Amino acid sequence: ETGVTQTPRHLVMGMTNKKSLKCEQHLGHNAMYWYKQSAKKPLELMFVYSLEERVENNSVPSRFSPECPNSSHLFLHLHTLQPEDSALYLCASSASTGMGEQFFGPGTRLTVL
Amino acid sequence: LAKTTQPISMDSYEGQEVNITCSHNNIATNDYITWYQQFPSQGPRFIIQGYKTKVTNEVASLFIPADRKSSTLSLPRVSLSDTAVYYCLVGALTSGTYKYIFGTGTRLKVLA
Repeated sequence: ETGVTQTPRHLVMGMTNKKSLKCEQHLGHNAMYWYKQSAKKPLELMFVYSLEERVENNSVPSRFSPECPNSSHLFLHLHTLQPEDSALYLCASSASTGMGEQFFGPGTRLTVL
Repeated sequence: LAKTTQPISMDSYEGQEVNITCSHNNIATNDYITWYQQFPSQGPRFIIQGYKTKVTNEVASLFIPADRKSSTLSLPRVSLSDTAVYYCLVGALTSGTYKYIFGTGTRLKVLA
């Protein structure tokens, strides 16, 4: 248990569906992150939030829309995804941006049909 | 952006010391080097982080030469439970440069 929870753990959706991934951290951290982990590819940093403000969007397609309503919660809204978007989506948090340990959640395994 | 290169896999026996080397020839001045461990169906777990020379904590050591173009994670006396994928990453998450580049990972298998 890392103090970062993600729901759902598994999600299957069609290309026309809209769904959301949820992340919650119980560590009092000020920074939160979304990562994508595809089979046989390195983890890719998607979004960075610092104090609820998005500070980085690493050229992620607009079909992925993040939301950070407060420092404890992070969402990833999904719409009109493609099969190649199937992956493990990981949320992480840290005390602040800058260097230091990131605490990862268990991830949401997403399958797009 | 610094790209990292690691061996794809390694085997070791219980009780041995394991050294995993990561190459990052294009590391930037403000980049740190961090290592994570990942078990199946779990998110990565932080092991150690450093900028230069040697860093040691209760589970590992990190050796970084003066040119910082590579780094070596050292795991003393591994056990079966250390079987996992180990990721090297370089980058910085500071204002103006939020870049974290993970390697493809080294799959370590510890044998009895």
